[in-house]
Amino acid sequence: DTEVTQTPKHLVMGMTNKKSLKCEQHMGHRAMYWYKQKAKKPPELMFVYSYEKLSINESVPSRFSPECPNSSLLNLHLHALQPEDSALYLCASSHSRPGRGFYGYTFGSGTRLTVV
Amino acid sequence: KNEVEQSPQNLTAQEGEFITINCSYSVGISALHWLQQHPGGGIVSLFMLSSGKKKHGRLIATINIQEKHSSLHITASHPRDSAVYICAVRLDSWGKLQFGAGTQVVVTP
Repeated sequence: DTEVTQTPKHLVMGMTNKKSLKCEQHMGHRAMYWYKQKAKKPPELMFVYSYEKLSINESVPSRFSPECPNSSLLNLHLHALQPEDSALYLCASSHSRPGRGFYGYTFGSGTRLTVV
Repeated sequence: KNEVEQSPQNLTAQEGEFITINCSYSVGISALHWLQQHPGGGIVSLFMLSSGKKKHGRLIATINIQEKHSSLHITASHPRDSAVYICAVRLDSWGKLQFGAGTQVVVTP
């Protein structure tokens, strides 16, 4: 299995809803990432998990809450989002090697989120 | 100022033409990625480079570490190559990427 699987592919939610995005990989990658991408813009890093611990939080609002329950799974919990949070949310994972840090990248196909 | 600059921003080619996309960066990096994104879609990693040249099918990627420059070439372009091509550099051991703005490529039949 050489894929990063994201579900759902599309999500429409109201501003008072609570929803979760899910990301799964079975490649043994020990770093997992959440990126946000607005239309016609490059992705922006949100969070990095390494060995199931949150390593980087790029000053993301608390209405986005990441969770890494195990080495294969990464969730992004959403609550009280705003319409401007509508975007493509991409998950990625990468290898690790002692002395080389994390390298290589596999991206998921993304969740297209619309907040109404 | 973005530390990763791509050119051109947009490119239109006829089927069969040779395409080159350039990427320049201003920081020290440990690796450079070339990525492909189709409209509305996820991102596919085409190459990861730290030196030299790599080839996969009709795609060739080169990097010159001293000049802080990389190129992606598409030989014998085809309409299915139409996509956004993104250059991204790896800045640190966490694998964090800094992205270029992307190059929109359209290949017409």
